[in-house]
Amino acid sequence: LAKTTQPISMDSYEGQEVNITCSHNNIATNDYITWYQQFPSQGPRFIIQGYKTKVTNEVASLFIPADRKSSTLSLPRVSLSDTAVYYCLVGDGPTGTYKYIFGTGTRLKVLA
Amino acid sequence: DGGITQSPKYLFRKEGQNVTLSCEQNLNHDAMYWYRQDPGQGLRLIYYSQIVNDFQKGDIAEGYSVSREKKESFPLTVTSAQKNPTAFYLCASSIGPRGATNEKLFFGSGTQLSVL
Repeated sequence: LAKTTQPISMDSYEGQEVNITCSHNNIATNDYITWYQQFPSQGPRFIIQGYKTKVTNEVASLFIPADRKSSTLSLPRVSLSDTAVYYCLVGDGPTGTYKYIFGTGTRLKVLA
Repeated sequence: DGGITQSPKYLFRKEGQNVTLSCEQNLNHDAMYWYRQDPGQGLRLIYYSQIVNDFQKGDIAEGYSVSREKKESFPLTVTSAQKNPTAFYLCASSIGPRGATNEKLFFGSGTQLSVL
């Protein structure tokens, strides 16, 4: 059974870099790792996705070590508007199926 | 605009009543999902469907039912057997399958269900 583990909450100040780590010890060989952001009373939205090494887009970077048992979402220079819950997501069960299980997420609070 | 539409945004259920939450997508995605979110908690999978006329139970399917008669639609019925239905319900879709480079979940804006 695939499972993700993240810190429950984190605080940061505006302008700082925030790193959120997720462990996924049982990730399937072909599975990607995807991170989502959720604001209150809204659906989660896609941030970034990767398979291994490093991926960067306009909002974040994702670092994945060679064993792929963890991943780190990096948010550069956070602002108040980055206060949200962040989830990492991997698949559950055999690859090729469509089942995804969310963990508890990390509640990030950005302080002025 | 392409996306997922959930309706209604707010729904109230009387005791003993069944209610149906609507989810429609125009993304031409094969897979659709229903998640439940309680206040301050993560998302829990209720049901998912990989293809029309097929669906599987998630971790908390008891008290819920679904149908997938069309690719675009995946309605969720909260039955009277669900004794604690108050929650935020999220519908999602994915082009899938897992392990493909284009696997992502796209979410609707949610339905808040409350019990009168």
